[in-house]
Order: sequence, then structure tokens, then C-alpha cells
Amino acid sequence: KAGVTQTPRYLIKTRGQQVTLSCSPISGHRSVSWYQQTPGQGLQFLFEYFSETQRNKGNFPGRFSGRQFSNSRSEMNVSTLELGDSALYLCASSPGTSGRAYEQFFGPGTRLTVL
Amino acid sequence: QKEVEQNSGPLSVPEGAIASLNCTYSDRGSQSFFWYRQYSGKSPELIMFIYSNGDKEDGRFTAQLNKASQYVSLLIRDSQPSDSATYLCAVEPGYSSASKIIFGSGTRLSIRP
Repeated sequence: KAGVTQTPRYLIKTRGQQVTLSCSPISGHRSVSWYQQTPGQGLQFLFEYFSETQRNKGNFPGRFSGRQFSNSRSEMNVSTLELGDSALYLCASSPGTSGRAYEQFFGPGTRLTVL
Repeated sequence: QKEVEQNSGPLSVPEGAIASLNCTYSDRGSQSFFWYRQYSGKSPELIMFIYSNGDKEDGRFTAQLNKASQYVSLLIRDSQPSDSATYLCAVEPGYSSASKIIFGSGTRLSIRP
């Protein structure tokens, strides 16, 4: 079974620009969660999508948004980039339903650098 | 108080010894507990999960959960240099929360030959 894929793997942007990151979950998984990881803050939850609906949201500003498509692929968008947005963005896939719903499998991440 | 707390380390353990990693959580109603391993420059990898009080063993790994004391631990027996990584504890809170899974900041483990 193929794992979680994320594209692109690396990205360099300048302040004020916007960026879109993509995540393809494990086949059959319906939940996709996004996290931001920085050395200072650790792993911070951004949001979770399940069946094309945002099911949970963390404490990030509205510049961070996402969506999920009918095939469970998800995109995350960050508008008006700030230097502090430089981080590793991780996507995690899980079945999302009862039982082992919260066992998450992470993709390799997208390393975003904002100059 | 942080919702999920871990000692940041580094925890240095000699090869072949038992490494003991601890995690405490604040929400008494938490239901599910996870341990992830993250190598430097890589993404987290799920290695253990536990839902019930007591011990759960998987190979060299044992997860221990004590809900009354609100802690979960991970024991690694016969530690190998390849076990050197950061170990993240994650908890599913029992209350309705915007954050479905809350991660601790991780403990850096170093196995010395």
C-alpha cells in the first residue's frame, strides 16, 4: 500500500506571496490532518479534513486554509506569507472513523522557507 | 500547564540497556495514546498506540499507561544506536477540542555505543 505523499518537498517563497501544498493520503483513508513543525514550537495542529469537510481546526490565523477533494487528496494554502511561516509542513493520513481512527501516518513533509 | 508534557532530554542510554521515556497529560478524560519516533530531518513514524490501562508490548517496545496518574511511558529494551531519535507522545483528548491529537514537544534519545 502506498504511503502518504506530499508535494512539493521543498519550497522557497518571499514575504507576501502565497503558497499551496498538496497531500495524497493512504488509499482508503478519509481523514487528512495538517501540522506545522518548527524547532521552537514543536508539532502544531493546523486543521483536519474528513470527507471534504473541515472537522477540526487549530489556533492559526485565517491566512492558513485548506480543502479536501472527493478522492481525499488535500491542499493547504497559506496567503500573505510571513517570515515566521518558515517551517516543515506535515500532512497525516488516518482512517478517520471508529476504531483506530486516530492512528496517523505522516507524509515526508514540505519544507517551506520564506525569505 | 501544557496539555502533554515530555522531558526534552537529551536522554543518553548505553547500547543494550533499557530506555525509559515518559509523558504526562492534563486531560483526565483522554482516551488514546500514541508514541511516534522522528529521526532528524524525517517525518514522525507511529510506533506504538495504547488505549487501555496497563502494558502493551510490541517487539522491543513496551507502552505503559496509567490513567489514574495520567502518564504514559515507552520502554525500549536492548537499545540500539538506530533507536537514537526524538520520541513524540501524542494524546487524544477526551473533551471536544479543536485539536484532535495533541503532541508533546518530544524527548531526544541518544544511544551511545
